[in-house]
Order: sequence, then structure tokens, then C-alpha cells
Amino acid sequence: EAGVTQSPTHLIKTRGQQATLRCSPISGHTSVYWYQQALGLGLQFLLWYDEGEERNRGNFPPRFSGRQFPNYSSELNVNALELEDSALYLCASSLGEAGQETQYFGPGTRLLVL
Amino acid sequence: DQQVKQNSPSLSVQEGRISILNCDYTNSMFDYFLWYKKYPAEGPTFLISISSIKDKNEDGRFTVFLNKSAKHLSLHIVPSQPGDSAVYFCAASARYSSASKIIFGSGTRLSIRP
Repeated sequence: EAGVTQSPTHLIKTRGQQATLRCSPISGHTSVYWYQQALGLGLQFLLWYDEGEERNRGNFPPRFSGRQFPNYSSELNVNALELEDSALYLCASSLGEAGQETQYFGPGTRLLVL
Repeated sequence: DQQVKQNSPSLSVQEGRISILNCDYTNSMFDYFLWYKKYPAEGPTFLISISSIKDKNEDGRFTVFLNKSAKHLSLHIVPSQPGDSAVYFCAASARYSSASKIIFGSGTRLSIRP
């Protein structure tokens, strides 16, 4: 069974540009989560999508947004990139049922903002 | 406000001995706790979890202990092996909250020395 996949693996952008990161969950999983791991910091919760809807978001500005498609894959968009957005962005998926909180992570997209 | 804290950023343990990783939380609504392991350039991998109705869960070399009165949990690895060298994240969630999300600690880097 294929795990969570993310693309691209690496992304280099300049300040002010937009970045789009993609995630495909494990087959059968309806929930997708996005996390940011900046250098030296832990995993910071960004967004949670389930059944196509945004269920919750972390303490990030509105320029971090995303969506979930009918096939449960997801996109994370970061507008007006800033240098401090440089980080590893991880996507995770879960079954999305109450209590099913075990999340399975993808390998991440490393974003570098110059 | 850090709801999940891992106060030791790093830990070095000799191969064959016990590794003990600690985690504290502040939100009494948390009722499900997880440990993830992360190697460099990979996404976190689910290791073990515990529900708040238990105080211990064991899986092979890994045991998680939960002390609800102290809002403290720990992960014991015995015996420690070289492959255990990784960053370990503690995570917590209030599973049946409508805004359910997992809160991660900042991680502890475990190094197993020969």
C-alpha cells in the first residue's frame, strides 16, 4: 500500500512569490493535515482538511491557505513568501474518524525562500 | 503557549541501556497521546500511543507511561539500539473535540552511542 506522497521534494522561491505544495494521502484516508517544521523547532500545526472542508487551522497568517480535492489530495499555498517561511512542510493523513488520531506522514517538501 | 513540552532537546544513551524520553502537557482536555520518531530527511513515523484511560502501553522494546495527575508522559526504550538514534516527538490530542488536532512537542534528539 502506498504511503503519503508529497511533491515537490524541494522548492526554491524568492521573497514575495507564491509556493504550492501537494499531498496525496493514503488510500482510504479522508483527513489531511499540514505541518511546518522550521529549523530547530518542532512540528507546528498548519491546517486540517477532512471531506473537502477546512476543519481547523493553526496560528498562521491567512497567506497560508489550502484546499482538499474530491479525491482527498490536498494543496498548501503560501502567498507573499517571506524568508522565515523556509522550512520543511509535512503532510499527514488519517482515517478522519473520531478517535482515529494516528497520522501517517509523507516525506515532506523542503521550501527555501531566498 | 506551549501545550506540549519536551524540555530535553537532546539525550545520549549507551547502546543496550534504557532510554527515557519525557513529555509534559498543560491541557487537561488531552486524552490521547502519541510518540513519533523522525529520521533526517524523512517524515515522522508513528511509534506508540496511549489513551488517557490507561497508564501504560507496551509494544516490544517501547513502553509509554502516562501520569495524568502530573500531566506527564514518558517513552522508555529498552534495550536501546543504534537504529533508535532519531528525533522523537511527543504529541497530544483531545480526540472527541470538534476542533480536534494534534499538538506536537518540539522534539528530543536521541543519540545511541556504542
